[in-house]
Amino acid sequence: DSGVTQTPKHLITATGQRVTLRCSPRSGDLSVYWYQQSLDQGLQFLIHYYNGEERAKGNILERFSAQQFPDLHSELNLSSLELGDSALYFCASSSRGGAPTDTQYFGPGTRLTVL
Amino acid sequence: AQSVTQLGSHVSVSEGALVLLRCNYSSSVPPYLFWYVQYPNQGLQLLLKYTSAATLVKGINGFEAEFKKSETSFHLTKPSAHMSDAAEYFCAVRRGDSGGYQKVTFGTGTKLQVIP
Repeated sequence: DSGVTQTPKHLITATGQRVTLRCSPRSGDLSVYWYQQSLDQGLQFLIHYYNGEERAKGNILERFSAQQFPDLHSELNLSSLELGDSALYFCASSSRGGAPTDTQYFGPGTRLTVL
Repeated sequence: AQSVTQLGSHVSVSEGALVLLRCNYSSSVPPYLFWYVQYPNQGLQLLLKYTSAATLVKGINGFEAEFKKSETSFHLTKPSAHMSDAAEYFCAVRRGDSGGYQKVTFGTGTKLQVIP
């Protein structure tokens, strides 16, 4: 158990809908990272938040957005869903602001299925 | 830009045999390199990381990896495979220079099957 929690574990929805994925980092960790894992694209970095502020963006679509709240939990919002958005979405956390030596601890993921 | 190439999407070994999972990297600056393991229906777990100290890095569960700059490789090994090692393994790279956050780039993964 990494100490990172993600809800829900599974999510099934229809095209065009909007969903919110939630992540709680390990106690004391200030950084939250979001990743998408799909058969087509592999594991891709989406976005990084540190202490409530966006730090870096990866291959995140404009239909997707994220935020980190004062209690440090984070939410990833996916809108206008398409079939291709079906994937495992992972959250990871680290204690610092993304320094190269930071260790990222991954949550168990949310499996999104878009029908 | 940096990238990693994992040779072999599937590797099968017999229980007790040597495990060798290959990873080659490309980076314009000295890299930091990582190996993660993913068990079915779980998130990624860090096995080990190279951060420019010793070139031979020991990780959890008996795994180790050697950073070879001349070969741009960071292969993962374990002397004797155990059934519990069956999982998917990801090699990852990030820039090793300073200056804020540098994203991690993951390889495509290698699924390890251990045959009894």
